[in-house]
Amino acid sequence: RKEVEQDPGPFNVPEGATVAFNCTYSNSASQSFFWYRQDCRKEPKLLMSVYSSGNEDGRFTAQLNRASQYISLLIRDSKLSDSATYLCVVVGVSGNTPLVFGKGTRLSVIA
Amino acid sequence: DAGVTQSPTHLIKTRGQQVTLRCSPKSGHDTVSWYQQALGQGPQFIFQYYEEEERQRGNFPDRFSGHQFPNYSSELNVNALWLGDSALYLCASTRYPGELFFGEGSRLTVL
Repeated sequence: RKEVEQDPGPFNVPEGATVAFNCTYSNSASQSFFWYRQDCRKEPKLLMSVYSSGNEDGRFTAQLNRASQYISLLIRDSKLSDSATYLCVVVGVSGNTPLVFGKGTRLSVIA
Repeated sequence: DAGVTQSPTHLIKTRGQQVTLRCSPKSGHDTVSWYQQALGQGPQFIFQYYEEEERQRGNFPDRFSGHQFPNYSSELNVNALWLGDSALYLCASTRYPGELFFGEGSRLTVL
């Protein structure tokens, strides 16, 4: 089983739609979780951290389910500018271990 | 405040050649990590440098080596290039336990 697994998509959704991505991780000792956004041919940028209590930032909500070892990202009222690849990221046992990235889920928001 | 800068942005090499990629971290950052991102994949951790030493290494062969200088800048060297080394090479910097910032990457094509 891969360390971090994501559905690669693409997810093609109309503007205004709600879309959700899931990501599973294999190491139950993982401590920190993030969602990164990567635009085409650009570098990844931190979108949001994922906390056990959940995390909401405007139209974006991230959730963590430690028992089932998955994290999710929900995007409400999708905008054309949300079109990008969303990378699920897991950090290991200690805080300074390297980030482990999933392959990413591609989202296309269509007018 | 300049972010993470990488050079060159694009380069083409032939099999068997050697390449050196350079990275200047964001101001105030002392830790540099290198990632390889092949087309359609998430970034894969190569190694991390702190205090001019390689602190952690991912699953990459010895053909991949690096260096960190006293000013925290870093180089990634790849020897005996082969076709599979074609990828976007991303440098990321941080000052633990802060956020990881990525440069725009160096896109390497091996012919």
